[in-house]
Amino acid sequence: AQSVTQLDSHVSVSEGTPVLLRCNYSSSYSPSLFWYVQHPNKGLQLLLKYTSAATLVKGINGFEAEFKKSETSFHLTKPSAHMSDAAEYFCVVSEEGQNFVFGPGTRLSVLP
Amino acid sequence: ETGVTQTPRHLVMGMTNKKSLKCEQHLGHNAMYWYKQSAKKPLELMFVYNFKEQTENNSVPSRFSPECPNSSHLFLHLHTLQPEDSALYLCASSQDGKVNQPQHFGDGTRLSIL
Repeated sequence: AQSVTQLDSHVSVSEGTPVLLRCNYSSSYSPSLFWYVQHPNKGLQLLLKYTSAATLVKGINGFEAEFKKSETSFHLTKPSAHMSDAAEYFCVVSEEGQNFVFGPGTRLSVLP
Repeated sequence: ETGVTQTPRHLVMGMTNKKSLKCEQHLGHNAMYWYKQSAKKPLELMFVYNFKEQTENNSVPSRFSPECPNSSHLFLHLHTLQPEDSALYLCASSQDGKVNQPQHFGDGTRLSIL
């Protein structure tokens, strides 16, 4: 069975400093992995996806994530946080024959 | 701009009312989904439709009744809801439901049950 753990429910960074949002997954097979962002009163927007190609995945708005099979991790990073990055971030795992499984989310706060 | 449009954005209803949520996608996708998002809980998948056929009902109470008349439209009919049904209801679509395809979400309907 697949599952997703987001290790931090809340991360706070200063504007211009790096962002690290952690995600670990459990999957029986080769998973597909996604990161989504949700701003207040909005739906989920796809940031990036991993589907068994390059392990370092670049997404929108300067975000990227690295798939590490040995660590079963798919952490999201950004070199320099912007105020507009403040939102809720969801890590998602999917495998053949199964629906999306969402992590509980990490709320990112960006301080001026 | 979103390719998935949900109406209404906000809905307040009493427990004895009947209402419907609407979702329309303009992406040419064949799979559509209903999710429930409650505070402090992960997203819960409710229903999946693939090529207009329901392929998943995640043990959802019968007071929620989905309808998918075509690949572009998805409805959620609501009847005799409970206070715990207050939540954000999100609709999503994907190309044809395969595991490596991202889902595209609407902005949701915020439902409040009085």
